[in-house]
Amino acid sequence: GQQVMQIPQYQHVQEGEDFTTYCNSSTTLSNIQWYKQRPGGHPVFLIQLVKSGEVKKQKRLTFQFGEAKKNSSLHITATQTTDVGTYFCAVPYNQGGKLIFGQGTELSVKP
Amino acid sequence: DTEVTQTPKHLVMGMTNKKSLKCEQHMGHRAMYWYKQKAKKPPELMFVYSYEKLSINESVPSRFSPECPNSSLLNLHLHALQPEDSALYLCASSQGVNRYSYEQYFGPGTRLTVT
Repeated sequence: GQQVMQIPQYQHVQEGEDFTTYCNSSTTLSNIQWYKQRPGGHPVFLIQLVKSGEVKKQKRLTFQFGEAKKNSSLHITATQTTDVGTYFCAVPYNQGGKLIFGQGTELSVKP
Repeated sequence: DTEVTQTPKHLVMGMTNKKSLKCEQHMGHRAMYWYKQKAKKPPELMFVYSYEKLSINESVPSRFSPECPNSSLLNLHLHALQPEDSALYLCASSQGVNRYSYEQYFGPGTRLTVT
């Protein structure tokens, strides 16, 4: 079945350093979504990527969708303590609204 | 209003109890979801309702029984749960369901402990 591999599992950075998490699929994706879950919180939708090679920016966050639509990345420039949390990619599985989530990358930021 | 609400926030129940989790959204969304999330793990889909009809059941044990009384409400009835069912139960909603997926809005969750 559809699977998506997300790496790394954990990332510890010093405040001000950059951070990147990657998602990879063995099959071509119709789209990919990214969510952030703060400690003790719930997943919050960040963005959806649909087009091959698409790049979207939200302030210090840059999202990319690979040319082959099999991989995606989330890059945070100059991390802040407010960026702490777990970042999940999520891909659709068949139709019907089902999303398959990556294992998540837990980001901790040392001030 | 882009909020999904869930009650209760916390629930402790014995293995012989019957309880219900409640979820509500007022965004006019036509799809609603129940997820289960264990610590340090991603959310796992349990059920999907589309236009108030159950469209996906991820082979969830019958001790979990979903109900969608109307387009804004979603319940999860719990009975004879096991300690391994302890988890964060998340409700979500989306505009609809289709091949390309809509973004999902999650509620704050109910943290369930089964003793």
